[in-house]
Amino acid sequence: GNSVTQMEGPVTLSEEAFLTINCTYTATGYPSLFWYVQYPGEGLQLLLKATKADDKGSNKGFEATYRKETTSFHLEKGSVQVSDSAVYFCALEAAGNKLTFGGGTRVLVKP
Amino acid sequence: DTEVTQTPKHLVMGMTNKKSLKCEQHMGHRAMYWYKQKAKKPPELMFVYSYEKLSINESVPSRFSPECPNSSLLNLHLHALQPEDSALYLCASSLVGLVSNEQFFGPGTRLTVL
Repeated sequence: GNSVTQMEGPVTLSEEAFLTINCTYTATGYPSLFWYVQYPGEGLQLLLKATKADDKGSNKGFEATYRKETTSFHLEKGSVQVSDSAVYFCALEAAGNKLTFGGGTRVLVKP
Repeated sequence: DTEVTQTPKHLVMGMTNKKSLKCEQHMGHRAMYWYKQKAKKPPELMFVYSYEKLSINESVPSRFSPECPNSSLLNLHLHALQPEDSALYLCASSLVGLVSNEQFFGPGTRLTVL
C-alpha cells in the first residue's frame, strides 16, 4: 500500500534559520506529491505540489523537489519567520482522489 | 471564491444527541470529503463523494451518516456518538478525474462529545 514517512518534530528554530523537513514515500505507480501546512486552530492549506519526477514545487519561499530515485520530497526554506510556525504534512495522491498523509512535523520558530 | 466553509466552528454534544455538521463550497468541485483529525495526528479520511454519490466509505461507524444534497453542500449527521469521537472534523473539496487534484480544506468543526 501507499505510505508517507516524515521526520518527527517538534523542530525548533531561530528566526532566519534554514528549515528542512524530510519526507519519503512508498507508492505504486506515479503519485503526485504535496506539502500541506496547518496553522494553529485552522484547516489545512496546500503549500506546494509536484506531479512528476524532477518537478520542483515552490511557494512562499518554500521548495520541494520530487525525487523518484530516492522516493523523497523534502521541504526546504532558506530563512524562516515566526509566522512559519505550524504543522507541516507531506502527502501523496496515487489514484482515486485519495490522499495519504505523513504523520506531520510541528515547526516552532522563535524570535 | 476559493473557500470551503464549515459550520458550526465548535460543537459540544452529549452521547444521546443528534447533530449535523455542514460544509459548503462554490468552486464547482464535484468531489467532497470528510476527514477526522485527532490532536497531533494527520487527517484520516472518512468519506468521499464524487458527483454527489458516495464513492468511498473508510469503514466508518454508522453513527456517522454523510449526505450530499447537491454539488455545493456536504453534511455529516451525528447520532449516539462516543467521547472518543471528539476531534476536529475537516471538509475538503476538489475537482474530479484530473491528475493531482488539489484538495481545498475548510477550517474544520471542533467536536466535543461529553
